[in-house]
Amino acid sequence: EPEVTQTPSHQVTQMGQEVILRCVPISNHLYFYWYRQILGQKVEFLVSFYNNEISEKSEIFDDQFSVERPDGSNFTLKIRSTKLEDSAMYFCARTDGKGLAGGGDTQYFGPGTRLTVL
Amino acid sequence: KREVTQIPAALSVPEGENLVLNCSFTDSAIYNLQWFRQDPGKGLTSLLLIQSSQREQTSGRLNASLDKSSGRSTLYIAASQPGDSATYLCAVSATGGGNKLTFGTGTQLKVEL
Repeated sequence: EPEVTQTPSHQVTQMGQEVILRCVPISNHLYFYWYRQILGQKVEFLVSFYNNEISEKSEIFDDQFSVERPDGSNFTLKIRSTKLEDSAMYFCARTDGKGLAGGGDTQYFGPGTRLTVL
Repeated sequence: KREVTQIPAALSVPEGENLVLNCSFTDSAIYNLQWFRQDPGKGLTSLLLIQSSQREQTSGRLNASLDKSSGRSTLYIAASQPGDSATYLCAVSATGGGNKLTFGTGTQLKVEL
């Protein structure tokens, strides 16, 4: 099974600017996730998205973050006003959704977007 | 809060050696456990998924086991090769947790010629 693709591969932005990271599913998947990995740290869950709605979000996913699937295809993560500490690799993942609420299925990760906030 | 720990943090072995990577987790109420490989600066490649009802999964030279009662999983790599050099991550999803994954810090493996 192919992973999702992500754009851009690298994004550099100034503190306080808005950024939009994109996840492009290769086929019509239903379950999507965003994770981030700060350099040298663990991969952390941000949010899960099912059937065009947020199904779960972490403490990290505060009001500065939002997700949507505007055109029924691309899945986006928006950070409204970036902070220095938002610098990280952001990974999109998907499952096939055959299991209950997406559970029990392998998660396939994209290559990530490296976000650098200056 | 669920914690996932991986030991050792780093491992260097000569080519051809069999090796075991360890993963432990608090709270045995997991739905599944997944092992990933991460190359430097790259994404995560799924290696194996073990459902909570399973004891092990095999794929080629890889074998992963799961002991829910003790909160442990191992990844066994047979006949290691330099191309196996990468960071190996384990991650668990919780029952009722919508399949969000909680990751360990990883084991950085180097297989030397």
